[in-house]
Amino acid sequence: GNSVTQMEGPVTLSEEAFLTINCTYTATGYPSLFWYVQYPGEGLQLLLKATKADDKGSNKGFEATYRKETTSFHLEKGSVQVSDSAVYFCALRGDNYGQNFVFGPGTRLSVLP
Amino acid sequence: NAGVMQNPRHLVRRRGQEARLRCSPVKGHSHVYWYRQLPEEGLKFMVYLQKENIIDESGMPKERFSAEFPKEGPSILRIQQVVRGDSAAYFCASSPPSRQGKNQPQHFGDGTRLSIL
Repeated sequence: GNSVTQMEGPVTLSEEAFLTINCTYTATGYPSLFWYVQYPGEGLQLLLKATKADDKGSNKGFEATYRKETTSFHLEKGSVQVSDSAVYFCALRGDNYGQNFVFGPGTRLSVLP
Repeated sequence: NAGVMQNPRHLVRRRGQEARLRCSPVKGHSHVYWYRQLPEEGLKFMVYLQKENIIDESGMPKERFSAEFPKEGPSILRIQQVVRGDSAAYFCASSPPSRQGKNQPQHFGDGTRLSIL
């Protein structure tokens, strides 16, 4: 079945540092890939998505590129802010009808001033 | 457009009581998903429903838990005879039918925090 693996957290960075959160997946066909962010006490919000190989999703300074050859969708940001402190989830949805979403375990990011 | 609406936001129950959690999906979304999240942990998939059908319930405990998504009205997650271990945040998400929008993401509600005394 489909699965998503994320780097274990927590990740602690200083403000303005470069961020990478690794995500790799296992799936047949051509899944759609997503990054979600969860701030304390809230639900998950879509951060960005990519629907085919070599697509780059981007939002709020975050980027991730759909790499089919390495089955990866790593999240990056050039300069993090304290307000980016949250839990980040990588997810995929298979391309067959009725396919469920599969989420990674989440990576907690803490950005220190 | 209203997003996914969950209510109540907070629910307190005593052991042995029933908990009913409601979820109204985004208008036009026919697929609903329920997840459980323990403090400091990730999302645990519970059930995936379409109108009047359960698509995938592989994450639902076999006893005490049930879910429905009727033709009219919200989706309901029901927990009977609650125990302390049921204390968690329960999130609902919705999406369009996959055939029409397989690239579309899930939209999440803000969750129901269930506390068992």
